[in-house]
Amino acid sequence: GQNIDQPTEMTATEGAIVQINCTYQTSGFNGLFWYQQHAGEAPTFLSYNVLDGLEEKGRFSSFLSRSKGYSYLLLKELQMKDSASYLCAVVDSNYQLIWGAGTKLIIKP
Amino acid sequence: DAMVIQNPRYQVTQFGKPVTLSCSQTLNHNVMYWYQQKSSQAPKLLFHYYDKDFNNEADTPDNFQSRRPNTSFCFLDIRSPGLGDAAMYLCATSRPTSGGYSYNEQFFGPGTRLTVL
Repeated sequence: GQNIDQPTEMTATEGAIVQINCTYQTSGFNGLFWYQQHAGEAPTFLSYNVLDGLEEKGRFSSFLSRSKGYSYLLLKELQMKDSASYLCAVVDSNYQLIWGAGTKLIIKP
Repeated sequence: DAMVIQNPRYQVTQFGKPVTLSCSQTLNHNVMYWYQQKSSQAPKLLFHYYDKDFNNEADTPDNFQSRRPNTSFCFLDIRSPGLGDAAMYLCATSRPTSGGYSYNEQFFGPGTRLTVL
C-alpha cells in the first residue's frame, strides 16, 4: 500500500527554527509537495521537490532524498502566523497525489 | 485574479436531504478534483475530471456524484447525506504539463464546510 508518515503535532517558539519530517512509501515517485493549511481553510502551495537536495524559498526550505523516501520542511524565524497544519503529498506513478495527514504546528510566544 | 471559487462556503443540510456544492475556476485548467477532508485528516480524493473524462476513486460511495458541464464548472452532488458526510469539501484544479500530469500542482478553492443535522 501507499503510505505517507508525518508527525501529528509539533510545538515551537516564535523566532525559532522547526523541521517537519515526511517519509513515504508509494508506487512510483513523480515529485513531492508541501502545502500549508490554516484551520478551516484550503491548502496553499509551499514547495515542490522532484530532485534530491534542498530548495530554499525565503523563510521556508524543503529537502528531498528519493533514495531514503524522505523529505523535510524547514521553517526559520517562526512567526505566530505560521501556526497551521503542514501537509506532505507525493505524486505517484499514476500522477495522483497521495496525501499525508498533516503536521499541526503550534507556535508559542 | 485567476482563481478557484467554491459556493457556498458553509452549507447546512438535513439528514437525507440532497445537497449540491459548486466549484468554478478561471484558471482554464483541464483537471478538476473533489476532495473530502475531515478534521485532522488528509484530504481524501473522491473523483476527478480530466477534461470531460470522469475518474471515480474505487472507495468513493455511490452517494457522491459529480457533474462537469464545461471547463469552468464542476458540481458535487450528495444524494442522501448522512452524519458521516459532514466534512470540508475541497475543489482543486491542475493543468497537466505536456506529456501528462508530470507536475500536478493543485490549486485549491476555499472549501465548503458541510454540516448535516
